[in-house]
Amino acid sequence: DQQVKQNSPSLSVQEGRISILNCDYTNSMFDYFLWYKKYPAEGPTFLISISSIKDKNEDGRFTVFLNKSAKHLSLHIVPSQPGDSAVYFCAAKAAGNKLTFGGGTRVLVKP
Amino acid sequence: KAGVTQTPRYLIKTRGQQVTLSCSPISGHRSVSWYQQTPGQGLQFLFEYFSETQRNKGNFPGRFSGRQFSNSRSEMNVSTLELGDSALYLCASSPGLAGQDTQYFGPGTRLTVL
Repeated sequence: DQQVKQNSPSLSVQEGRISILNCDYTNSMFDYFLWYKKYPAEGPTFLISISSIKDKNEDGRFTVFLNKSAKHLSLHIVPSQPGDSAVYFCAAKAAGNKLTFGGGTRVLVKP
Repeated sequence: KAGVTQTPRYLIKTRGQQVTLSCSPISGHRSVSWYQQTPGQGLQFLFEYFSETQRNKGNFPGRFSGRQFSNSRSEMNVSTLELGDSALYLCASSPGLAGQDTQYFGPGTRLTVL
């Protein structure tokens, strides 16, 4: 039972344009959501998070939107840079410290 | 502040052996969680330790175990290794507070079982 899903396995975007990554979840008990960026053979790097009591959180080029009624969140990266090319994971947690991850979206930013 | 460190970074073992992986959390963090990443199953939660006690557990067999020391450092042990245990094992640390507790990951240990 996949409680967190990233339906787009890959995304290609031109440098300077917006990257939009999507994530859907099924567990209504999730109350904290995070996005991580990962390079091969390295650990995930924390990017941004959002609590279920908010619908938007912004940090520099990264903005996360949460639609609780649709059980959907998205990550916007503006403007996209070649260094953003990586795999992006969304993760969610309910009570306790267990993170449930989506399958990841590979982003390629073309110069 | 130094990040999460994991040792060793790479490990090769044979079936039936056991292995111990080590994780040092960010200074001041009391929670350490372990995850397994494989191409087929993605990133999966193994367990979490907080104040030397296992606080949460994922759906892995008893061959996977862990412990945490008084300085918050943690070790993970896998006994009777199987080929399917080949994976990237990731450790994450966090303050361990309730609610918005962000986990920060180490670089991982790449385990290959032959």
